[in-house]
Amino acid sequence: DGGITQSPKYLFRKEGQNVTLSCEQNLNHDAMYWYRQDPGQGLRLIYYSQIVNDFQKGDIAEGYSVSREKKESFPLTVTSAQKNPTAFYLCASSIARGDGYTFGSGTRLTVV
Amino acid sequence: RKEVEQDPGPFNVPEGATVAFNCTYSNSASQSFFWYRQDCRKEPKLLMSVYSSGNEDGRFTAQLNRASQYISLLIRDSKLSDSATYLCVVNGGGYQKVTFGTGTKLQVIP
Repeated sequence: DGGITQSPKYLFRKEGQNVTLSCEQNLNHDAMYWYRQDPGQGLRLIYYSQIVNDFQKGDIAEGYSVSREKKESFPLTVTSAQKNPTAFYLCASSIARGDGYTFGSGTRLTVV
Repeated sequence: RKEVEQDPGPFNVPEGATVAFNCTYSNSASQSFFWYRQDCRKEPKLLMSVYSSGNEDGRFTAQLNRASQYISLLIRDSKLSDSATYLCVVNGGGYQKVTFGTGTKLQVIP
């Protein structure tokens, strides 16, 4: 079945560490996205990518980095520069701009 | 005014009841609209797109009112399994102009 796989499901990070969240899709979607969800807030866009080897900053890109070397993969690195990284991170994809999104099951990141 | 606003609820309704949620948006140039369902600690799942003419999928009906800038979701004959948070999503016309509401929580009570 086609879908988006995010791993790991839970991730614990020590202060000062960089961590990478994986996102893989087999839907053949061109566009991929990373969102962050905090309690009581709507999803906020971190980065998005329309095609391979191209990505754009979203509303809260500071402290994060991404790559899009393959159509299927869009990993997110949370760097030590991100001061408040504890959140639920969601990867999504869509066929094109304006279409509904398919989300992965998310990664819960906690700073310890 | 927030770009997308939803009543957070919770809406506590008995099984079999009809319940409706509204979602207002501020960008009059918004082009596409969606309702998502999110269960506790899970990812959002697309419930339905919202078309100008309104659309229905089983017990769910979505409508768009461009003049008053809101979308609505009507759930008929509520089931216990409908308990979730319902997110409205408004696309202002670009990848960076997709705005998620904070969600309306629905609790269907036996």
